[in-house]
Amino acid sequence: AQTVTQSQPEMSVQEAETVTLSCTYDTSESDYYLFWYKQPPSRQMILVIRQEAYKQQNATENRFSVNFQKAAKSFSLKISDSQLGDAAMYFCAYRSNSGAGSYQLTFGKGTKLSVIP
Amino acid sequence: NAGVTQTPKFQVLKTGQSMTLQCAQDMNHNSMYWYRQDPGMGLRLIYYSASEGTTDKGEVPNGYNVSRLNKREFSLRLESAAPSQTSVYFCASSVLLGTAGNTIYFGEGSWLTVV
Repeated sequence: AQTVTQSQPEMSVQEAETVTLSCTYDTSESDYYLFWYKQPPSRQMILVIRQEAYKQQNATENRFSVNFQKAAKSFSLKISDSQLGDAAMYFCAYRSNSGAGSYQLTFGKGTKLSVIP
Repeated sequence: NAGVTQTPKFQVLKTGQSMTLQCAQDMNHNSMYWYRQDPGMGLRLIYYSASEGTTDKGEVPNGYNVSRLNKREFSLRLESAAPSQTSVYFCASSVLLGTAGNTIYFGEGSWLTVV
């Protein structure tokens, strides 16, 4: 079974600075997707960014980018120019691209990000 | 643009009571899901419906039943609520059967407390 580990329960960053959230995962598969979801206090789950495992290039979405290291099974999220609205729980998630596993997102336990004005 | 709509948003139940959480999506998605989120945890899959007419167990199905009423609607039923089922429940949907890259869209969550 796949597992996703987020080793930083809490992080803080100064407004306008850059922060990196860590995620590692364990899988024996080669074809899968990785995601970062943001959960603000409203509890809604918002997709931030996704990465396809067979793509070498790291995904970027505006101020959000990832560092995907497939061999090391690492998938970190970098937030540049942090804003107050970035304060939230961030969840790393894994999804297989084959079989019954493709219906299930496996989540890490989350990292709570605080942004200091 | 409603997306995924869940009702009710808040509910308090007594142990042993039953209730149904309703979910509807207006994005013409094939697949729908029910997740639960407990304090300090990520979401865990309870049940999913790959397509209309099919349902399958996820990681934590015990104590729950589901019904895929039609393509739009997917309900979650607690037959005899227990305090361990106190949680935030999320309904979700996605476009294509078995295509992992397609985004899973989440509802806003339903807060359930069992006393």
